[in-house]
Amino acid sequence: NAGVMQNPRHLVRRRGQEARLRCSPMKGHSHVYWYRQLPEEGLKFMVYLQKENIIDESGMPKERFSAEFPKEGPSILRIQQVVRGDSAAYFCASSPQTGKTDTQYFGPGTRLTVL
Amino acid sequence: AQSVTQLDSHVSVSEGTPVLLRCNYSSSYSPSLFWYVQHPNKGLQLLLKYTSAATLVKGINGFEAEFKKSETSFHLTKPSAHMSDAAEYFCVTYNNNDMRFGAGTRLTVKP
Repeated sequence: NAGVMQNPRHLVRRRGQEARLRCSPMKGHSHVYWYRQLPEEGLKFMVYLQKENIIDESGMPKERFSAEFPKEGPSILRIQQVVRGDSAAYFCASSPQTGKTDTQYFGPGTRLTVL
Repeated sequence: AQSVTQLDSHVSVSEGTPVLLRCNYSSSYSPSLFWYVQHPNKGLQLLLKYTSAATLVKGINGFEAEFKKSETSFHLTKPSAHMSDAAEYFCVTYNNNDMRFGAGTRLTVKP
């Protein structure tokens, strides 16, 4: 059973471009979480999604950031018109569908660098 | 609101000596508590978790943590450090889909 997969692992964008980060949860998991880790800081929650639904986006910046988890395919975190302050590691985690569980399994992260 | 505080941003030990990484939590409810480890340029790996069962929790790689409600602490320990333990460690609290991370403790292991 493959773990949580994220791609790309490294992404370089110039200011004003768009960044798309992909997350494929573990097989059988229908809950996806996105976190951002700024340099020298812990992870900060951004958004929690289930298939086709955003459950909690209280950690998402109000502008330029969006997330989706379609019925088919990976979850996408999209950052429009990136700025230098968006440079960070973005981690995705997933948890199972069946029953209530509080163990999240993390992917290796996407490191975004904005030039 | 819940939160965790990792008391040391950096801990340095010699190989073969004990490891203590400190974490205090704040929560209105009985939280679930976790320790995750992050090796350089890698994702987070779950070391252990506490979910109101035994207060002494054993994890992978010889790590364990003790939940002390009276002290609101969940410190991570290991009797003997190995070079491969050098990494960033995160204490995490979880309640009702709200997951909060500590700022992390960087563990350095000297030969």
